[in-house]
Order: sequence, then structure tokens, then C-alpha cells
Amino acid sequence: EPEVTQTPSHQVTQMGQEVILRCVPISNHLYFYWYRQILGQKVEFLVSFYNNEISEKSEIFDDQFSVERPDGSNFTLKIRSTKLEDSAMYFCASSDNQETQYFGPGTRLLVL
Amino acid sequence: AQSVTQPDIHITVSEGASLELRCNYSYGATPYLFWYVQSPGQGLQLLLKYFSGDTLVQGIKGFEAEFKRSQSSFNLRKPSVHWSDAAEYFCAVVPRGNMLTFGGGTRLMVKP
Repeated sequence: EPEVTQTPSHQVTQMGQEVILRCVPISNHLYFYWYRQILGQKVEFLVSFYNNEISEKSEIFDDQFSVERPDGSNFTLKIRSTKLEDSAMYFCASSDNQETQYFGPGTRLLVL
Repeated sequence: AQSVTQPDIHITVSEGASLELRCNYSYGATPYLFWYVQSPGQGLQLLLKYFSGDTLVQGIKGFEAEFKRSQSSFNLRKPSVHWSDAAEYFCAVVPRGNMLTFGGGTRLMVKP
């Protein structure tokens, strides 16, 4: 069964550094999403992406965040200058019809 | 305000006992409704979903959920819990179209 994959599974970085989280969505899916889950809190929507542009973003998704689909398979989330409060589990999801989203295993980001 | 509530943060049941996890939503119209499960160290796996039609939906791993419009609820049930069901369960809604809004989650523990 096709699935969403994410790399790395864990990332530790210093405050102020840039990180890029990578996702490979399910191959025939057209809608892509990033969510995050701060430890002990709800899963929160960050951004959705379709047809090479952002279709919706939350207030969390400020100027330090960006997303890109650099080629036909990868979907990336970049955090330009990480802050301590960016420490969280980041989930990528994809969908073929905007109705059902399938999630990857997540990347646990720790900012020191 | 639009919201998803899972009133039970933790639930403990004995193996073989029945299970019901509660979910209530607050939206103007009936959204699309989902249950996801997150096992330790894993991503979010879709258990089942409701869009329209029959209000009792069957999912994977023996789970089912019932949509009750009058109560704005979408409770998850399983007649006989297995130790491997220990995980965190998330109810989520999509008003229409784009971002998933998650409840706070219910952590299920299973006693032998």
C-alpha cells in the first residue's frame, strides 16, 4: 500500500539555524499539507499546497516558514531561523481529492 | 467558535472490554469527520471517516464510529479491545475542502 514518507525521522538543530524537512507524498496525490504537534498539544495545521502554490496557511505559518515542491516527488518545509518554540513533531500529509489526508510518520525536530 | 472536543484525555480499559471514545464538534454545518490513531513513535493512521450517508461507519482494526447530528458527535467504538490498541486517538474534522482540525486526543491504555 502506498504511503507518505518523511525524512529525517529526528533532527536536532541549534537555535537560529535553518532546517529543511522532507516529505515524499503518495505518488498520484495532488494536495499536500504540513501539520505540527508540539509535545503535549494538539496537532495543528500549518499549510496546504496545490498546483505549486500555497492554497491555505495558518497564522503559525509566518515568514520564517516556506514550502516547496522542488521536483515531481518531494515536498519540503523549510524553517529559516529556528526558534526554541519550533521544537515539535512535524507531519506531512497528502490527498488525491482534498477529502481524505494520509499522514507520514513525522519528523521530530528539537531546537536547542 | 469552531472546535473539536475530545472530553476524555485518558481512558483505561481491560483487554477484551468494549471501548467508546467521545468526540464532539462545533461547526455550522456537518463537516467531514475522521478518526486517526497514533501509536507510540508512529505517524497518524486513518481509522475511518464519515462524509455522508449511513451514520454508522466501519473502519480498520475492528473500529466503528457513529455520527449523531443531533448531538454533534462522532464517537468511536470497538466491541473488544486488544492490547495492541493502546495508542492515542484523534478525532478530526474538515469543514469542507482543506485543513484538518484536530481534537486534543484521547490516550488509551489497555490493562491485561
